[in-house]
Amino acid sequence: EDQVTQSPEALRLQEGESSSLNCSYTVSGLRGLFWYRQDPGKGPEFLFTLYSAGEEKEKERLKATLTKKESFLHITAPKPEDSATYLCAVHDSNYQLIWGAGTKLIIKP
Amino acid sequence: GAVVSQHPSRVICKSGTSVKIECRSLDFQATTMFWYRQFPKQSLMLMATSNEGSKATYEQGVEKDKFLINHASLTLSTLTVTSAHPEDSSFYICSARESSGRPGTQYFGPGTRLTVL
Repeated sequence: EDQVTQSPEALRLQEGESSSLNCSYTVSGLRGLFWYRQDPGKGPEFLFTLYSAGEEKEKERLKATLTKKESFLHITAPKPEDSATYLCAVHDSNYQLIWGAGTKLIIKP
Repeated sequence: GAVVSQHPSRVICKSGTSVKIECRSLDFQATTMFWYRQFPKQSLMLMATSNEGSKATYEQGVEKDKFLINHASLTLSTLTVTSAHPEDSSFYICSARESSGRPGTQYFGPGTRLTVL
């Protein structure tokens, strides 16, 4: 069964304290892994799409990496405005999104 | 690029009335649009997938007569909640996927908060 698991559920960091969020997946034939950021009361904001193992993408303080079993979202020197819930999803064989439960990230000033 | 808008952002209505929510892709054409529902502190739940010019495909357990979806153009999809009741109160979010190439990234709208009194 296709499945996406994110860890940790919640993460509290001090401003400037770098860390990583994990997204592990089981899917028959990866057709894309997606990272989104969601703020309370808003729709998900697209961050990255990764298609093959070894691929990496960066945007400001965020860097996403992909292996055959998992993806990491690395956040370097985070700021309070990086606080949000980060969602990971993969395409199943019908190109529908299978979602993880998300990681709630809190950056304290 | 890849901006999706939704209107209205929030709506309050009386039980028994119908509410229409619009979803537009502003700077790209979307053959496929999706409608989701999200309860507090829960994941997005896919309600239906709509393809331009054809009938929407509803997920199991979603009443197609209650949640009417129209995807009349490559940039507009609408969701109408008919005869709304308090249990329909939720956060509704649409997304759109670009028409070109392999099915790729879904871009999401800002969401619509529906409250039924």
